[in-house]
Amino acid sequence: NAGVTQTPKFQVLKTGQSMTLQCAQDMNHNSMYWYRQDPGMGLRLIYYSASEGTTDKGEVPNGYNVSRLNKREFSLRLESAAPSQTSVYFCASSEMGHQPQHFGDGTRLSIL
Amino acid sequence: GIQVEQSPPDLILQEGANSTLRCNFSDSVNNLQWFHQNPWGQLINLFYIPSGTKQNGRLSATTVATERYSLLYISSSQTTDSGVYFCAVGGGNTPLVFGKGTRLSVIA
Repeated sequence: NAGVTQTPKFQVLKTGQSMTLQCAQDMNHNSMYWYRQDPGMGLRLIYYSASEGTTDKGEVPNGYNVSRLNKREFSLRLESAAPSQTSVYFCASSEMGHQPQHFGDGTRLSIL
Repeated sequence: GIQVEQSPPDLILQEGANSTLRCNFSDSVNNLQWFHQNPWGQLINLFYIPSGTKQNGRLSATTVATERYSLLYISSSQTTDSGVYFCAVGGGNTPLVFGKGTRLSVIA
């Protein structure tokens, strides 16, 4: 039982390149989330999907797009990467919106 | 939106000591969770506790929703307790908002 799996674990991009971060969960959860973590800022929500077929903006959605591919998978895309998007990205899932969230191990992304 | 404040921001303990971490929030909530981020960066859900008291081994948490705060107690601390502890809250149908965390260092 892997829980929440994120790929890749590390990535270095050049400014202007595009990239998709992948997230999959095997807990049959309905809700999935993408966060970014910057030093001293805690975690900030980028986008979330309350259920399959729906997505909503979080606190910091600019520069990102998401796709809820199916119940298991929720991807995050950077269309034109900027140095300000250098961060650690976490995917999480929960059974419903008001249930415990379970996190993947994160993707460390550097944009030069 | 909801504001979340955690205190203290940093805490250094000798192994075996007890500690209390506090989370204050600015509005009514129906979702409150505590997380531990270990030194390797992994985030572990400790408690889902919108109200009341829960215990899990040496850790316990209490949320007093009417007074808008939650406390996380760590007893007989161990070096493996080191890391950052986050409180996250949500109200209505809004998603979780995270505090900035308390960084705990337990020294042998």
